[in-house]
Amino acid sequence: EVQLLEAGGGLVQPGGSMRVSCTVSGFSISDNYMSWVRQAPGKGLEWVAVIYSAGSTDFADSVKGRFTMSKDNSKNMLFLQMTDLRAEDSAHYYCASKYCSSGSCYFDHWGQGTLVIVSS
Amino acid sequence: SDVLTQPPSVSVAPGETATITCERDNIGAKSVHWYQQRPGQAPLLVISFDSDRPSGIPERFSGSNSGNTATLSISRVEAGDAADYYCQVWTFNSDHPGLFGTGTEVTVL
Repeated sequence: EVQLLEAGGGLVQPGGSMRVSCTVSGFSISDNYMSWVRQAPGKGLEWVAVIYSAGSTDFADSVKGRFTMSKDNSKNMLFLQMTDLRAEDSAHYYCASKYCSSGSCYFDHWGQGTLVIVSS
Repeated sequence: SDVLTQPPSVSVAPGETATITCERDNIGAKSVHWYQQRPGQAPLLVISFDSDRPSGIPERFSGSNSGNTATLSISRVEAGDAADYYCQVWTFNSDHPGLFGTGTEVTVL
């Protein structure tokens, strides 16, 4: 059974940093593209970041230069390091696996999310 | 900026058909995927590649994509279909490869 379990959310002050993680079971992340998607309370979904199987990354413009994404294939874990956090970064952060074919990708497995609140 | 525009809300009576649109210039040239999100839950893929239904998704869910509009249709709507629905596209080698629609809340009357 595929499971994705996020951890590490909580309250952080504006300008602060936080790292959230995602532990994956049921498949190996080393061969898959993995993403973070966030959702501010009461708002829509926003794609945040992707890490490709070779380890390269891409980010949404809203977080570029502030967030980094990494993975530990041996532990089957993903990480999202967030710095210079702003109130608008407050959201549930979901990790998700991506399936890609014919030049397009969708998110086939999702975690339950971890809530990050940026507030003084 | 690049936006996938959906109607904020759609209301439908039980047994009728709900139609949710996702608009963007020439979206027909992209593959569109659709997600259902019930309150307090993670999104669930209901349609991939415009019209494919993943295993376990009822046949009542169908999709199409042409021109400037992609469409998710839910026939014979049930109370359990009440949820938010999002379209999504992916564009490699783009400044913002991952893009979700603005979301549509489906209310079952």
